[in-house]
Amino acid sequence: DADVTQTPRNRITKTGKRIMLECSQTKGHDRMYWYRQDPGLGLRLIYYSFDVKDINKGEISDGYSVSRQAQAKFSLSLESAIPNQTALYFCATSDGVRTAEAFFGQGTRLTVV
Amino acid sequence: AQSVTQLDSHVSVSEGTPVLLRCNYSSSYSPSLFWYVQHPNKGLQLLLKYTSAATLVKGINGFEAEFKKSETSFHLTKPSAHMSDAAEYFCVVSANDYKLSFGAGTTVTVRA
Repeated sequence: DADVTQTPRNRITKTGKRIMLECSQTKGHDRMYWYRQDPGLGLRLIYYSFDVKDINKGEISDGYSVSRQAQAKFSLSLESAIPNQTALYFCATSDGVRTAEAFFGQGTRLTVV
Repeated sequence: AQSVTQLDSHVSVSEGTPVLLRCNYSSSYSPSLFWYVQHPNKGLQLLLKYTSAATLVKGINGFEAEFKKSETSFHLTKPSAHMSDAAEYFCVVSANDYKLSFGAGTTVTVRA
């Protein structure tokens, strides 16, 4: 089983709909992240959480919200999806060390029509 | 603040020839630096990381990178490209805030 699991893997939704992307991890890490990947822009940080009670906005949080339900679960919601939120979304985890690598899920490809 | 610039958006090499992917960084603090690879329709996999130990870092699949503080660079190299190296590569910096900042990526094409 993968260390970081994202569901769904692919999703097509309509403009204005609410959608939730889910992430769970088995690494036992406290830190979890949501990134968005767009061609030519790399990955940009949407939200991050250093523990269940600590949630922070990243560089592109507008239009998104998150919930940290447990140490192992971190969900990303689009309250009212719009077409420019069409992207590949990644969840990641790391432990509490600056030098630690991040472990990524397989990604969720979201299309808003 | 921290940031990463990958100097080439696309690199094309012949199989068996060297690969060089260039990365410059800026950071107010002593950084940790990473290279990740993303194969088509896959997640991101760590190739190697620099964490203030040896400046020449060896990674998986024959890749290595050299940290040069004076040039604020962390270029990735491989002596001999293989077809399986075709992928997108990301240079990443982590400073004192523990967040990862990604470069825009370099797409590598390998010609037979």
